[in-house]
Amino acid sequence: GAVVSQHPSWVICKSGTSVKIECRSLDFQATTMFWYRQFPKQSLMLMATSNEGSKATYEQGVEKDKFLINHASLTLSTLTVTSAHPEDSSFYICSAGGGGRSADTQYFGPGTRLTVL
Amino acid sequence: GENVEQHPSTLSVQEGDSAVIKCTYSDSASNYFPWYKQELGKRPQLIIDIRSNVGEKKDQRIAVTLNKTAKHFSLHITETQPEDSAVYFCAAGGGTSYGKLTFGQGTILTVHP
Repeated sequence: GAVVSQHPSWVICKSGTSVKIECRSLDFQATTMFWYRQFPKQSLMLMATSNEGSKATYEQGVEKDKFLINHASLTLSTLTVTSAHPEDSSFYICSAGGGGRSADTQYFGPGTRLTVL
Repeated sequence: GENVEQHPSTLSVQEGDSAVIKCTYSDSASNYFPWYKQELGKRPQLIIDIRSNVGEKKDQRIAVTLNKTAKHFSLHITETQPEDSAVYFCAAGGGTSYGKLTFGQGTILTVHP
């Protein structure tokens, strides 16, 4: 149980293009999903919290117009990196929590490695 | 907001030895403390968690202790094996954090055969 998938696992794009990353909870309904960014050899940095049917809550310093988050259902959240630039290259990981499980426990997706040329 | 400090940043042990990683947190309202193991290029995996109404929890070779008064918690791995080598993250959440977790900086554990 507690399986979270993420797609794509890696993506390479040109500067200026937009990239969409999907996060799905496969065997439970996630009331809340979280999006993190992780640089090499560093910790997980929370970017935003998304709740189904409402606007995402962004952490301080994260541009909401650049990182668009949509949580259309209890099993799907998407992160769109708009007008991507090389500095956006990173490992993006989602997690899902809540639903029938402990509201505090988060289960992570496998991550998406984004490389912007 | 919550702040979590984790030490050491790197830890090297011989196979069979014990490993201890320590974390401190700042928000006394936090009441949920999970530990995650992350292998290179992979997702963080929850290995054990503890809530503030419990002082210690064990799962085979892994144990976590919590001192709420001092606001610190520790991960203990006994009889380490090479496959325990990974990055370990502590986190704090619950309370008024609305499901959010604040992560420590991570500890790179290397277990030498």
